[in-house]
Amino acid sequence: DGGITQSPKYLFRKEGQNVTLSCEQNLNHDAMYWYRQDPGQGLRLIYYSQIVNDFQKGDIAEGYSVSREKKESFPLTVTSAQKNPTAFYLCASSIISGPSGTDTQYFGPGTRLTVL
Amino acid sequence: KQEVTQIPAALSVPEGENLVLNCSFTDSAIYNLQWFRQDPGKGLTSLLLIQSSQREQTSGRLNASLDKSSGRSTLYIAASQPGDSATYLCAVRSYNTNAGKSTFGDGTTLTVKP
Repeated sequence: DGGITQSPKYLFRKEGQNVTLSCEQNLNHDAMYWYRQDPGQGLRLIYYSQIVNDFQKGDIAEGYSVSREKKESFPLTVTSAQKNPTAFYLCASSIISGPSGTDTQYFGPGTRLTVL
Repeated sequence: KQEVTQIPAALSVPEGENLVLNCSFTDSAIYNLQWFRQDPGKGLTSLLLIQSSQREQTSGRLNASLDKSSGRSTLYIAASQPGDSATYLCAVRSYNTNAGKSTFGDGTTLTVKP
């Protein structure tokens, strides 16, 4: 089955701890994304990557870090510098189609992070 | 900066009714617009993607239209069913933002009553 997996489904963090959220895809997509969703709101982009070993900050990158060592994997670390990390985190991937605009985004099931 | 608005935030209809969800965007220089469905506590499922050169896309009971000049897209759902109850989000990928970035609306939460 092709798709995107995220783990864990639920994650609890104590204040001052760093935690890492996993995202893996077997769709052979070049681009991968991390979004944050707060209750009743749309998605806000944290980081994205269009190629291995390269990534760019999105709108709310402060307090987060990522790596892209493999095409299939794009882990997100929520650091202690993120002051309000409790949220639903979604990972997505897509092809890169440029002006043709055919790059449908496919999403994982999400990780719900709660700070205790 | 691209801004995407979805009105209303919530909508409740009786089963069988045809309905329209709205999505507005401020910058018409777009690559595409995508409609998603999100069930509570779940990820997003892609419903339809409209490229900037297209006017509409259809899948089953769903029809999405795009009018770039007015900065609007609509998602039409025919003969609504209780299983259609979910939050519907639109996302716009724009020329004038960082490459690869989509801007999402806050969504419309639809409830279809039996």
